[in-house]
Amino acid sequence: AQSVSQHNHHVILSEAASLELGCNYSYGGTVNLFWYVQYPGQHLQLLLKYFSGDPLVKGIKGFEAEFIKSKFSFNLRKPSVQWSDTAEYFCAVNGEGTYKYIFGTGTRLKVLA
Amino acid sequence: DGGITQSPKYLFRKEGQNVTLSCEQNLNHDAMYWYRQDPGQGLRLIYYSQIVNDFQKGDIAEGYSVSREKKESFPLTVTSAQKNPTAFYLCASSIVGLAGSSYNEQFFGPGTRLTVL
Repeated sequence: AQSVSQHNHHVILSEAASLELGCNYSYGGTVNLFWYVQYPGQHLQLLLKYFSGDPLVKGIKGFEAEFIKSKFSFNLRKPSVQWSDTAEYFCAVNGEGTYKYIFGTGTRLKVLA
Repeated sequence: DGGITQSPKYLFRKEGQNVTLSCEQNLNHDAMYWYRQDPGQGLRLIYYSQIVNDFQKGDIAEGYSVSREKKESFPLTVTSAQKNPTAFYLCASSIVGLAGSSYNEQFFGPGTRLTVL
């Protein structure tokens, strides 16, 4: 079955700490990968996306993610988090040639000032 | 400004009543989607539409219905058959890419929080 797993449901970090959020997917084909962020009271918005090419992709606000095909993973990273990064983060997969997007259950990040 | 509008932001209904949630986009996107967001469950797909007058069931379509009579509009009706309708509902849209695949990112509306009393 197609699925996306986000292993960390809640993460608490102090400002300036490094962040890595895990995302693993199960899909029998070529995929497009996304990370979305939902800040408190705001719309879901795109952080970054991978379609092809360099497996290390950079997004907004200093975030990056690495696609490791052999591990079916697309982990999100940021070297130094800020209080303003407090939000819920969702990993999503879209199978090539399909219209469906499959979302993970989300990770709530709280950054302490 | 281009974007997706969902109204109302908060909606209250009595149990047993049908209710329709509005979603309008002016991004000229072909594909539109409805998701339900519950705490700890992420976003679950209810229905999606690739083109006007066509739509497909998602993973949790039971108790819901949609229509797509216009490109910019994709209303969702939560019927009395939906056993647990209280939730946060998100509408999204995306461009349909080459070869019919929607490989671009989705754009989301602000959501409607439905509470059934």
